[in-house]
Amino acid sequence: DIQLTQSPSFLSASVGDRVTITCRASQGISSYLAWYQQKPGKAPKLLIYAASTLQSGVPSRFSGSGSGTEFTLTISSLQPEDFATYYCQQLNSYPLITFGQGTRLEIK
Amino acid sequence: QVQLVESGGGVVQPGGSLRLSCAASGFTFSSYGMHWVRQAPGKGLEWVAFIRYDGSNKYYADSVKGRFTISRDNSKNTLYLQMNSLRAEDTAVYYCAKDLIYGDYSSWYFDYWGQGTLVTVSS
Repeated sequence: DIQLTQSPSFLSASVGDRVTITCRASQGISSYLAWYQQKPGKAPKLLIYAASTLQSGVPSRFSGSGSGTEFTLTISSLQPEDFATYYCQQLNSYPLITFGQGTRLEIK
Repeated sequence: QVQLVESGGGVVQPGGSLRLSCAASGFTFSSYGMHWVRQAPGKGLEWVAFIRYDGSNKYYADSVKGRFTISRDNSKNTLYLQMNSLRAEDTAVYYCAKDLIYGDYSSWYFDYWGQGTLVTVSS
């Protein structure tokens, strides 16, 4: 199975900060990667797919990049509503798709 | 607007069975592949199962293969997950999720999710 490792697992930041979360795959996955945001008690929300394509309705302060084994999610200027847990997901090896362990983003 | 509403969760003893339902509206259900994804309490996300738009192909995570069955009724716009031989480690919130694209080639990205239904396996 392809393993996804997110770093950091926990991040403390302030409103207005630029934040980057990394997702590393145990083997190459081309650009078959998505990013989701999940708030407590809510379902995940698709932010980015195909590594860098912004899902419709998602603010442009979110961006994704990378291919192969290393990927990043960047939030250019943190807003109060962005404090949540973020997950990456790979589908290169479908149907054996996997998620990263999550990165919890909290207010400093 | 797209809505997915899960139901059928509850408390069940180890070895028991449960059937989850997901009622879909706001999109052409019969054109999209659908997935179940679960999340154990305080843990991350785990994909569980997928069914093609027409029900012709189904895939399962190794952890549930042989115990869970995904199905759909396109005339009722409803997705199902039959769960048998339940184990404590199946305790989770179960989400149904819609695939991003329609037709023959599903994307395996999930663009809409339900609110989830909690399954607790405990004696």
